[in-house]
Amino acid sequence: AQSVTQLGSHVSVSEGALVLLRCNYSSSVPPYLFWYVQYPNQGLQLLLKYTTGATLVKGINGFEAEFKKSETSFHLTKPSAHMSDAAEYFCAVSGENSGYSTLTFGKGTMLLVSP
Amino acid sequence: EAGVAQSPRYKIIEKRQSVAFWCNPISGHATLYWYQQILGQGPKLLIQFQNNGVVDDSQLPKDRFSAERLKGVDSTLKIQPAKLEDSAVYLCASSLDRTGTLHFGNGTRLTVT
Repeated sequence: AQSVTQLGSHVSVSEGALVLLRCNYSSSVPPYLFWYVQYPNQGLQLLLKYTTGATLVKGINGFEAEFKKSETSFHLTKPSAHMSDAAEYFCAVSGENSGYSTLTFGKGTMLLVSP
Repeated sequence: EAGVAQSPRYKIIEKRQSVAFWCNPISGHATLYWYQQILGQGPKLLIQFQNNGVVDDSQLPKDRFSAERLKGVDSTLKIQPAKLEDSAVYLCASSLDRTGTLHFGNGTRLTVT
């Protein structure tokens, strides 16, 4: 079974500041890890994913995340926040289910960006 | 490529009424998912199809919810009868591979009054 914990339901930053959204996971098998973003009244869009290989993963819009197995973490960062980054961010973990991938999501973190 | 299509975008019904949602996945995607997203929470998997077979429906309230994917392409999710706690956004997603990368539609926002 898999689970995801996102620390902080809301994170507020100023434009230009560092963005750090925290995610810890639990998985009984080697995990695939994801960050998705959701803008108002839209579906979720993939930001980045970790499957195997390099533990530092780069995604769209300048975001990146690092898989740390020892800490069971997959935190999302961006060096400089833009107003357009304001959205809800979901961390997710994938595990095999009857041979097919199933995604389990965290509760989400709302990123607020102020001018 | 065309994305995942869902309809309707919004639906308001009274409790005990029935409602149906439709989803057309990306062409060629064998796996289709229905998620329920209650306000302030992450999406919760209701049912997962591989082609037209059910892989996981363990969290589907089968006394009131049903879903089908005839011919392994588009899918319908039905609620009958609806309860107030069914108010949520219902997201359809599809995937091509087994890494779990999902492509989501824009969802159907259901309000039960």
